[in-house]
Amino acid sequence: NAGVTQTPKFQVLKTGQSMTLQCAQDMNHNSMYWYRQDPGMGLRLIYYSASEGTTDKGEVPNGYNVSRLNKREFSLRLESAAPSQTSVYFCASTQQGWGEKLFFGSGTQLSVL
Amino acid sequence: QKEVEQDPGPLSVPEGAIVSLNCTYSNSAFQYFMWYRQYSRKGPELLMYTYSSGNKEDGRFTAQVDKSSKYISLFIRDSQPSDSATYLCAMTGGSNYQLIWGAGTKLIIKP
Repeated sequence: NAGVTQTPKFQVLKTGQSMTLQCAQDMNHNSMYWYRQDPGMGLRLIYYSASEGTTDKGEVPNGYNVSRLNKREFSLRLESAAPSQTSVYFCASTQQGWGEKLFFGSGTQLSVL
Repeated sequence: QKEVEQDPGPLSVPEGAIVSLNCTYSNSAFQYFMWYRQYSRKGPELLMYTYSSGNKEDGRFTAQVDKSSKYISLFIRDSQPSDSATYLCAMTGGSNYQLIWGAGTKLIIKP
C-alpha cells in the first residue's frame, strides 16, 4: 500500500520556468491538499480539493494552479517559477473534512534560481 | 500575531527524560487538536488526535488540551533517540475551517 506518492522528489528550476508537481493517492480519499513548508513558517495551504471536481484556494495560492485530474490524482503547477517559490511541497489526503487524519507524501524539494 | 504559536527549539534532552512540547492559540473556535511528527526529509504523520478539552494517552505519549487557557501540550515519557524529530501541532474548528499549523518544534534526544 503506497499511500500518497509525490513526484519528483527534487527539482531545480530557473526563474521563469514552469513545472508540474504530481500527486497520487491509493486510499480512495475524497479530499486532497497541497502545502508548502518553509523554515519557521510551518505548513501553509496552497490549494485544496474537497472532492473530485472541486478545487479551492488556500492561504498562499498566488503563482500556482491545480488540477484534480480524478479521485486519485491532484497536480500542482507553477507557470512561471520565482525564487520565492523555493520550498518543500507536500501533498496530503484525507477521507473527508478538516478534522480528519491527514496522510502526507514524502515531499518535493524545489529550488528556483 | 500568528493564530498558533509554537517554540521552534531545538529542544535537546537526554534519553529517558520526560519531554513537554506546547502550543498556544488565539481562536476559541478550535475544537480539534492534533500532533504530527515529522522525521527529516519525510512528510508529517499523525501522532495524537484530541477533540475538545482533556487528556488522551497512547503508550508513551499524552496529549493535553486546556481550552480555557488556549494551550495544548504533548508529553513524551521515557524518551528515546528514535523520538528525535520535529513535532507540529495543528488545529481546526472542523467543518469549513482550515487546518492551522504551528511552525514545529525540533526535538533532539541524546543517547
